[in-house]
Amino acid sequence: DVKVTQSSRYLVKRTGEKVFLECVQDMDHENMFWYRQDPGLGLRLIYFSYDVKMKEKGDIPEGYSVSREKKERFSLILESASTNQTSMYLCASSSGQSNEKLFFGSGTQLSVL
Amino acid sequence: GESVGLHLPTLSVQEGDNSIINCAYSNSASDYFIWYKQESGKGPQFIIDIRSNMDKRQGQRVTVLLNKTVKHLSLQIAATQPGDSAVYFCAENIIGSGGSNYKLTFGKGTLLTVNP
Repeated sequence: DVKVTQSSRYLVKRTGEKVFLECVQDMDHENMFWYRQDPGLGLRLIYFSYDVKMKEKGDIPEGYSVSREKKERFSLILESASTNQTSMYLCASSSGQSNEKLFFGSGTQLSVL
Repeated sequence: GESVGLHLPTLSVQEGDNSIINCAYSNSASDYFIWYKQESGKGPQFIIDIRSNMDKRQGQRVTVLLNKTVKHLSLQIAATQPGDSAVYFCAENIIGSGGSNYKLTFGKGTLLTVNP
């Protein structure tokens, strides 16, 4: 089975801190994604990557950056955390060009105080 | 159906009943559809998918129906169990829209509650 692992289940950070969310997948998937999930707003795509060192903006990239130095790892970076970035962050991966089903990690609940 | 405002649509059923969760999708060019289940505190899990050249697909206790004419998707769960309680999301995609053309779009979800 595909496994997508997010390094932290819960994180509490202070406003202005730099925050790293890490995600690793073990199925050699080309594509990796970061979503945030908020009540009433569903899943919103922040950034995605379809190859090592490649990145594309999703629907809500402002305030975030990403890094994909290795195929299996995709990092989400909050350069200066703000309270409106308190959310559930979900990492996902999928294979190849078909972009069929995504496999999700368990999520990181980030609270910015 | 899809959510409006801050509240998820909810469906409450009795254990053993059949459940039907509906989804209206937006893009007439979408040719691949997926249902996900998200339990409290967990990431979404794939349940079943269907391509646009089909109008019905069955899995274990689940059936997905696709009506392209009205852009409607439904998930039917037979003999609903307490473990089925979760938020259910539909998602639409265009097959082959890979790379920088990635286009998976999620609905906002429906909360299913199963009463014992």
